[in-house]
Amino acid sequence: DAGVIQSPRHEVTEMGQEVTLRCKPISGHDYLFWYRQTMMRGLELLIYFNNNVPIDDSGMPEDRFSAKMPNASFSTLKIQPSEPRDSAVYFCASRYNVSPLHFGNGTRLTVT
Amino acid sequence: RKEVEQDPGPFNVPEGATVAFNCTYSNSASQSFFWYRQDCRKEPKLLMSVYSSGNEDGRFTAQLNRASQYISLLIRDSKLSDSATYLCVVLDSGSARQLTFGSGTQLTVLP
Repeated sequence: DAGVIQSPRHEVTEMGQEVTLRCKPISGHDYLFWYRQTMMRGLELLIYFNNNVPIDDSGMPEDRFSAKMPNASFSTLKIQPSEPRDSAVYFCASRYNVSPLHFGNGTRLTVT
Repeated sequence: RKEVEQDPGPFNVPEGATVAFNCTYSNSASQSFFWYRQDCRKEPKLLMSVYSSGNEDGRFTAQLNRASQYISLLIRDSKLSDSATYLCVVLDSGSARQLTFGSGTQLTVLP
């Protein structure tokens, strides 16, 4: 299995631009999570899906952030418009039922 | 009080030393427990699950104390390659957030 696949690995954009992060979970996994990690705040859960349905998005910072999961093999996290404080590493992770979580390599986002 | 609390570290130990990390959790209904390892600029990776009876994987031993609501990780004969941040993770099946991560304990093994 290829594991959780995220793209892009790095993204540098200017303030105000739209950013789209992509994730392909491990096949057969029914939960998908989006996390954000910074030195100051550590690992924060943004949103998670179960069987493609958003279950808890209370961690999404504000309306500029949105996430979708149109099918079991693909999810996106979009930031529009982006701001410098959004700079962080964004991880996608998936799991099956209550089994351990598997993380993707992450997307390092820098907003200038 | 945080839901999951860890020793903040950093822990700096010489090669060959034994080091232990503790983690406490606040929800007594927590279901499953894990230790993850995160290397600098990498994603967290599962190190081991923690079972009620305690479990061992080579130099690593994990223990769970449900009465006191803490889990521990013991690393024996530490290697330079053990240097990383160790994250305690708790799964609460009844909680909307499902998984809660500790803030991590940084370990540096010195030559």
